[in-house]
Amino acid sequence: GQQVMQIPQYQHVQEGEDFTTYCNSSTTLSNIQWYKQRPGGHPVFLIQLVKSGEVKKQKRLTFQFGEAKKNSSLHITATQTTDVGTYFCAGPKKTSYDKVIFGPGTSLSVIP
Amino acid sequence: DTEVTQTPKHLVMGMTNKKSLKCEQHMGHRAMYWYKQKAKKPPELMFVYSYEKLSINESVPSRFSPECPNSSLLNLHLHALQPEDSALYLCASSQPTGMEEAFFGQGTRLTVV
Repeated sequence: GQQVMQIPQYQHVQEGEDFTTYCNSSTTLSNIQWYKQRPGGHPVFLIQLVKSGEVKKQKRLTFQFGEAKKNSSLHITATQTTDVGTYFCAGPKKTSYDKVIFGPGTSLSVIP
Repeated sequence: DTEVTQTPKHLVMGMTNKKSLKCEQHMGHRAMYWYKQKAKKPPELMFVYSYEKLSINESVPSRFSPECPNSSLLNLHLHALQPEDSALYLCASSQPTGMEEAFFGQGTRLTVV
């Protein structure tokens, strides 16, 4: 069946270092969404990518959607302690658009 | 108002109890979702309601019973749960296109004893 994978599972960085998480789908995605969940919190929508090769920026965050629409990445420049949390990519199931599949997430720790 | 409100925030129930989780949104979203999330895992889809009709049931045990009384409300009725059902239960809403962001509630932290 359709699977969404993310690497790495965990990442510990020194404050000020960069961070990247990668998301890979076993099938082509119509779009991909990224969510952030702080410890003890709930997922919060960050961004949606729709077009092949799309790149979007939000301040220190850069999101990319692969040309084949099967992979995506989130890059954070100069991490801050406020970036701590788990970052999930999510995409709709091919056969049922109202069913969104979440990747396993990348947990980011930032050492001050 | 871009909030999804869930009650209660915490719930402890015995295996013979019956309880309900409630979720409310006033964003005009016509899709509402129940997710279950275990520690250090991603949200796992349980049910989807689209235009107040159950469109997806991810083979969830019958001890979980969803209900969508109207376009703003979503309930999850719980009966005879097992300790392994302890988890964070998240409600979310969006437009039912697969192309819109989902707004999540803060969740109900459920403990079954």
